[in-house]
Amino acid sequence: GDSVTQMEGPVTLSEEAFLTINCTYTATGYPSLFWYVQYPGEGLQLLLKATKADDKGSNKGFEATYRKETTSFHLEKGSVQVSDSAVYFCALLKRPGGGADGLTFGKGTHLIIQP
Amino acid sequence: DTGVSQNPRHKITKRGQNVTFRCDPISEHNRLYWYRQTLGQGPEFLTYFQNEAQLEKSRLLSDRFSAERPKGSFSTLEIQRTEQGDSAMYLCASSLEVHEQYFGPGTRLTVT
Repeated sequence: GDSVTQMEGPVTLSEEAFLTINCTYTATGYPSLFWYVQYPGEGLQLLLKATKADDKGSNKGFEATYRKETTSFHLEKGSVQVSDSAVYFCALLKRPGGGADGLTFGKGTHLIIQP
Repeated sequence: DTGVSQNPRHKITKRGQNVTFRCDPISEHNRLYWYRQTLGQGPEFLTYFQNEAQLEKSRLLSDRFSAERPKGSFSTLEIQRTEQGDSAMYLCASSLEVHEQYFGPGTRLTVT
């Protein structure tokens, strides 16, 4: 079945450091890919998405590129802030009509940014 | 836009009791989803409605679980004869467009 694998945390960085959170997926067909973020005490929020190969999703300084050849969707940010501390989830969604409309999530990566 | 709301936010119940959770989606959203999240894991898909029709159910949704969306607006998720393994956060999401699911704050269930 479909699955998403992301790097385990916690990931601890200093403010202004470069961030990469790795995400790879296994799925038949051509899924859409997402990053969701969960800030402390809050619900899941969509951070960015990419719906086809080579698409780049971006939001709030975060970026991720849909790499079909490596089945990856790594999350990057050039300079992290303390306010970026949260749990980040990588997820996939099969194409409408391709079966499931429910998201398949990774286990989440807890990011801690120290001042 | 008031967002997706879920009630109650917390529920503690004894093993063997029935519980029901409610989800109110964003008003114009025709799609509604239920997920379950246990500690240290990502959310797992349970079921999906388009309007009032339940179009998909995960194999995780045992016979003790039932979900309804009677008028295509709010939805309820009922768990009968709860077990300790049912303890989790139950998340509801809604969407108008298939690629943008908006999540509620969740209902945390503790089965003692």
